[in-house]
Amino acid sequence: DAGVTQSPTHLIKTRGQQVTLRCSPKSGHDTVSWYQQALGQGPQFIFQYYEEEERQRGNFPDRFSGHQFPNYSSELNVNALWLGDSALYLCASSAAGPNTGELFFGEGSRLTVL
Amino acid sequence: GNSVTQMEGPVTLSEEAFLTINCTYTATGYPSLFWYVQYPGEGLQLLLKATKADDKGSNKGFEATYRKETTSFHLEKGSVQVSDSAVYFCALTARLQPGGYQKVTFGTGTKLQVIP
Repeated sequence: DAGVTQSPTHLIKTRGQQVTLRCSPKSGHDTVSWYQQALGQGPQFIFQYYEEEERQRGNFPDRFSGHQFPNYSSELNVNALWLGDSALYLCASSAAGPNTGELFFGEGSRLTVL
Repeated sequence: GNSVTQMEGPVTLSEEAFLTINCTYTATGYPSLFWYVQYPGEGLQLLLKATKADDKGSNKGFEATYRKETTSFHLEKGSVQVSDSAVYFCALTARLQPGGYQKVTFGTGTKLQVIP
């Protein structure tokens, strides 16, 4: 049973560029959430996708956008990158059925903006 | 809004010492509470959970009890090992109406270092 998979694992961009990160949820899960984890900090909620729609959003600017595909996989896009976007981006999946709200995380995509 | 406060680290213990990491929360309603662990270079893994007052979550020798009266969910382990060295995050979520869950809110994390 494959867990949550993310790609790429590491990437380096320069200021002003755009980036796309990808996530495949755990088998049987249909809800995907994205989190940003700065060095030494806890994960901060970016948004959540369910049924191909953004259902909840955290306090992130419109430069952060996403998409969910019919197979439940998801993308996170960040435009106009700046130095402060350097972080570990975590994807987490969960099941919409009876559950206790727990998340299953991928290993993350580490973004460095120079 | 919901929030989680956990003790700052780093916490350094000798092997076989007793561990407590404090966590308190603020939430409306009856949240589910979690402890996640992050080993170096990895994503977060669920360590244990509790979904209602007085529930005790346990896993790999770690325990935490959901205390509604003190809004706390402290993590404990009787005898830590070097392999327990990691960052521990307390977290909560609450049900949405008519269904689903709110975003999971995390604390800032507590780094644990266990020395032989």
